[in-house]
Amino acid sequence: DVKVTQSSRYLVKRTGEKVFLECVQDMDHENMFWYRQDPGLGLRLIYFSYDVKMKEKGDIPEGYSVSREKKERFSLILESASTNQTSMYLCASTGTWGLAGGEQFFGPGTRLTVL
Amino acid sequence: AQTVTQSQPEMSVQEAETVTLSCTYDTSESDYYLFWYKQPPSRQMILVIRQEAYKQQNATENRFSVNFQKAAKSFSLKISDSQLGDAAMYFCALWGGGADGLTFGKGTHLIIQP
Repeated sequence: DVKVTQSSRYLVKRTGEKVFLECVQDMDHENMFWYRQDPGLGLRLIYFSYDVKMKEKGDIPEGYSVSREKKERFSLILESASTNQTSMYLCASTGTWGLAGGEQFFGPGTRLTVL
Repeated sequence: AQTVTQSQPEMSVQEAETVTLSCTYDTSESDYYLFWYKQPPSRQMILVIRQEAYKQQNATENRFSVNFQKAAKSFSLKISDSQLGDAAMYFCALWGGGADGLTFGKGTHLIIQP
């Protein structure tokens, strides 16, 4: 089974702190994604990566950056956390597009609270 | 641009009954995939069912089935014999072949009444 893990289930940070959210997948997937989930808004794509060191902005990249130094790991960085970044963050991965048929595998999520 | 619309923020059904969750979408792609994902209160998002647009036959997975109406751009999920474990957020999603992955609807919160 594909496994996607995220470094923390719950995280509490203070405004202005630098925050790292880590995601690791164990299926050698090329594509990885970071979403933000808020009630009534569904999932919104922050950033995605289709290869090591490659990254693309999603729909809501402002205030975030990402890093993908190794194929299995995709990190989301909040350079200076703000209260409006309090949210649930979901990581996902998928393999070669044509073979995977678009199905994404999700991590358990990180509930981030910024005080 | 692709869009996915779930018009029912919340649905409630009695245990053992059947419920249908609605989803409409828009895409300019001729070949695409549609998905229903389930997110239980524990928050792990899991795939329920997938439909390939070029296949006319509706996908079925045990108690879960879809009604795929390509011309109407409609993709509803039917859950038969609802169980307490079906209580969750359900998200409809579309993949049109782009590297940016899935486009999600805003979700439907399904409540199962015992």
